[in-house]
Amino acid sequence: NAGVTQTPKFQVLKTGQSMTLQCAQDMNHNSMYWYRQDPGMGLRLIYYSASEGTTDKGEVPNGYNVSRLNKREFSLRLESAAPSQTSVYFCASSEPPSAQYFGPGTRLLVL
Amino acid sequence: AQSVAQPEDQVNVAEGNPLTVKCTYSVSGNPYLFWYVQYPNRGLQFLLKYITGDNLVKGSYGFEAEFNKSQTSFHLKKPSALVSDSALYFCAVRDLGGGADGLTFGKGTHLIIQP
Repeated sequence: NAGVTQTPKFQVLKTGQSMTLQCAQDMNHNSMYWYRQDPGMGLRLIYYSASEGTTDKGEVPNGYNVSRLNKREFSLRLESAAPSQTSVYFCASSEPPSAQYFGPGTRLLVL
Repeated sequence: AQSVAQPEDQVNVAEGNPLTVKCTYSVSGNPYLFWYVQYPNRGLQFLLKYITGDNLVKGSYGFEAEFNKSQTSFHLKKPSALVSDSALYFCAVRDLGGGADGLTFGKGTHLIIQP
């Protein structure tokens, strides 16, 4: 039982490059989330998916797209990376109203 | 819109002393409240939650939190601090009144336990 897993753990991109962050959970949760963490700002919600086949914008969705591939997997895509997207990205899953469980994070540096 | 305030960027406590990490919230409906802890270069770990029921909630590692509706607060407490409690602590809220399904987090409080 791995919980929430994320790949890659670390990535360096050049401005304008694209990439997809992968997330998977094995807890059979319906809801999945993507957050970004920046120093002094806590975590901010980018997108979430309340169930398979649905996605909704969070607080900071601009520059990102998501795909809920199936119940287990929820990916985050940066189509054209910008330095402002340098951050640590966390995926989480839950069965509301219970707690969200977080993955180990992906550190992204955009040059 | 919902919001969370953690008024202290850093809290310093001597080992063995009681600790309190403060959190206040604002929601339009009834709140779900959570505390998480983050160790360096790690993801967030769930400590405890308040959904309904007793105002005093007990969680992992000896932590507890008190829900105070009139003061809109949910302070994290521990009777006797350990050096290993040193970490970054986040308070989070979900508004039952609607809006995005995700959590709104405070900016975090660094807890430093001195030997």
